[in-house]
Amino acid sequence: DVKVTQSSRYLVKRTGEKVFLECVQDMDHENMFWYRQDPGLGLRLIYFSYDVKMKEKGDIPEGYSVSREKKERFSLILESASTNQTSMYLCATYLRGNTEAFFGQGTRLTVV
Amino acid sequence: GDSVTQMEGPVTLSEEAFLTINCTYTATGYPSLFWYVQYPGEGLQLLLKATKADDKGSNKGFEATYRKETTSFHLEKGSVQVSDSAVYFCALDNQGGKLIFGQGTELSVKP
Repeated sequence: DVKVTQSSRYLVKRTGEKVFLECVQDMDHENMFWYRQDPGLGLRLIYFSYDVKMKEKGDIPEGYSVSREKKERFSLILESASTNQTSMYLCATYLRGNTEAFFGQGTRLTVV
Repeated sequence: GDSVTQMEGPVTLSEEAFLTINCTYTATGYPSLFWYVQYPGEGLQLLLKATKADDKGSNKGFEATYRKETTSFHLEKGSVQVSDSAVYFCALDNQGGKLIFGQGTELSVKP
């Protein structure tokens, strides 16, 4: 079974802090994604990566950056956290050419 | 751009009732279509999929048919159970390698 692990289930940070959300997958999947989930808005794509050191902006990249130094790890960075970044963050991965995405359990981030 | 629209929730049903959750999409070309489910406290998991027109995806008693003429992929189940209570997401992948999700529909099934 594919396992996608997010480093924290719950996180509370202060406004202005730099925040790192980590995602690790234990299969050899090329594609990795970061979404945020908000009530009534569904999942919105922040960034995605098709390979090591490659990244592309999704629909809402403002205020975020990403890092993919190794194939199994995809990090989401909030450069200066703000209260409107309070949300559930979901990491996903899938194998190129396949059609099933695998998700982590999510990180619920609260910025105070 | 590509998009997915789902019926708004929450949907509340009694056990053994019939379920329909509507999903329509806008996309160029021939996207693959999916239903994902999110149980409380968990990430999303694939429920079913269809990759071309007229395909029917099915799993755990749920089914959905890819209707290109109406750009729809409605989710149905003949008899829901309490354990089906979850949030259901319709999604598409238009060969660009990324999933586009609808808003999600919360289903609550009462005994």
